[in-house]
Amino acid sequence: AQTVTQSQPEMSVQEAETVTLSCTYDTSESDYYLFWYKQPPSRQMILVIRQEAYKQQNATENRFSVNFQKAAKSFSLKISDSQLGDAAMYFCAYRRSTDKLIFGTGTRLQVFP
Amino acid sequence: NAGVTQTPKFQVLKTGQSMTLQCAQDMNHEYMSWYRQDPGMGLRLIHYSVGAGITDQGEVPNGYNVSRSTTEDFPLRLLSAAPSQTSVYFCASSTTSLYGYTFGSGTRLTVV
Repeated sequence: AQTVTQSQPEMSVQEAETVTLSCTYDTSESDYYLFWYKQPPSRQMILVIRQEAYKQQNATENRFSVNFQKAAKSFSLKISDSQLGDAAMYFCAYRRSTDKLIFGTGTRLQVFP
Repeated sequence: NAGVTQTPKFQVLKTGQSMTLQCAQDMNHEYMSWYRQDPGMGLRLIHYSVGAGITDQGEVPNGYNVSRSTTEDFPLRLLSAAPSQTSVYFCASSTTSLYGYTFGSGTRLTVV
């Protein structure tokens, strides 16, 4: 069975600094997709970034980028120029092609002014 | 464009009561799922569906039933509520291509 592990329950960062959230996963599949979701205090789940496993190039969305290491089964999220609005729970998720979405346990990110 | 609509947003039940959490999407998505979120445990999959008439169990299905009679609707039924089912419940939907899931706003359920 596929599993997703987020080993950092909490992280903190100073405003304008850079922070990296870690995620590892376990799968025997070669075709899959990885996601990072953000959950602010409003409880809404917001898709931040997506990575397709067959693409070697790391995905980037504005201040958010990933470091995808397929062989190591690692998928970390880097947030540059952190803003107060980035404070939230961040969930890493895995999905085999056209299958269900599996989440990690989340990392709570605090941003200090 | 409503997206994924969950009702109710809040609910308090007594132990042993039954209820249905409603979920509807207007995006013609094939895939729909129900998750529960508990502190420190992330989102755990309860049931999911790959299309009308097709459902399957997720990680924590006990105490919950689902059906998918239409593409749009995917209700979650609690058969006999227990305090262990106190949680936040999310419904989500997705297309067959990989653009992630779209989530509803969640239902906070308390069982006393």
